[in-house]
Amino acid sequence: AQSVAQPEDQVNVAEGNPLTVKCTYSVSGNPYLFWYVQYPNRGLQVLLKYITGDNLVKGSYGFEAEFNKSQTTFHLKKPSALVSDSALYFCAVRDKIMGGGGNKLTFGTGTQLKVEL
Amino acid sequence: DTAVSQTPKYLVTQMGNDKSIKCEQNLGHDTMYWYKQDSKKFLKIMFSYNNKELIINETVPNRFSPKSPDKAHLNLHINSLELGDSAVYFCASSQDIRLPYEQYFGPGTRLTVT
Repeated sequence: AQSVAQPEDQVNVAEGNPLTVKCTYSVSGNPYLFWYVQYPNRGLQVLLKYITGDNLVKGSYGFEAEFNKSQTTFHLKKPSALVSDSALYFCAVRDKIMGGGGNKLTFGTGTQLKVEL
Repeated sequence: DTAVSQTPKYLVTQMGNDKSIKCEQNLGHDTMYWYKQDSKKFLKIMFSYNNKELIINETVPNRFSPKSPDKAHLNLHINSLELGDSAVYFCASSQDIRLPYEQYFGPGTRLTVT
């Protein structure tokens, strides 16, 4: 079984400051990891993903995430936050394909990011 | 052009009724999904179809029945609606279930059962 923990329900940051949204995962074998963003009353959209290779992954809107296998973390970061970054952020891990399990994503509980002027 | 579309966007109905939500994707993807997002924003997968074949069937009451007439469409039918079914339901699609492609989500259908 796999799981994802997002320990913070909400993160507040001032515009222009760096931001970090934390994610810790648990999965058998090698994980596939994703960050999704959900704006109010919208569906989720992918920001970035880690499949293999370089541990630092760059994504949309200036976001990046670092895969740390020893600590089983995949924290989302941005050097300078914008008010428009305010949204709900989900970390997700993909289950290994075992039998008919397929491409099942397990999502964290979400972290509300609030960027203020 | 909308990549993944759902209808209706809002659905208000009474307990005991039967309702359907429709989903269509124009991305040419092979795999489609249904997710439920509850009032605390927790997101959980319900079903997944790959080329019209049911691949993932989570622990969901059998009042929920997905139907995939072709690989571009995945509908969700719910019988005997209950208060606890109130949630936002998201449809999603991805290119190929065998590989870790990202999923593309529809705008959601907010279901309210009274």
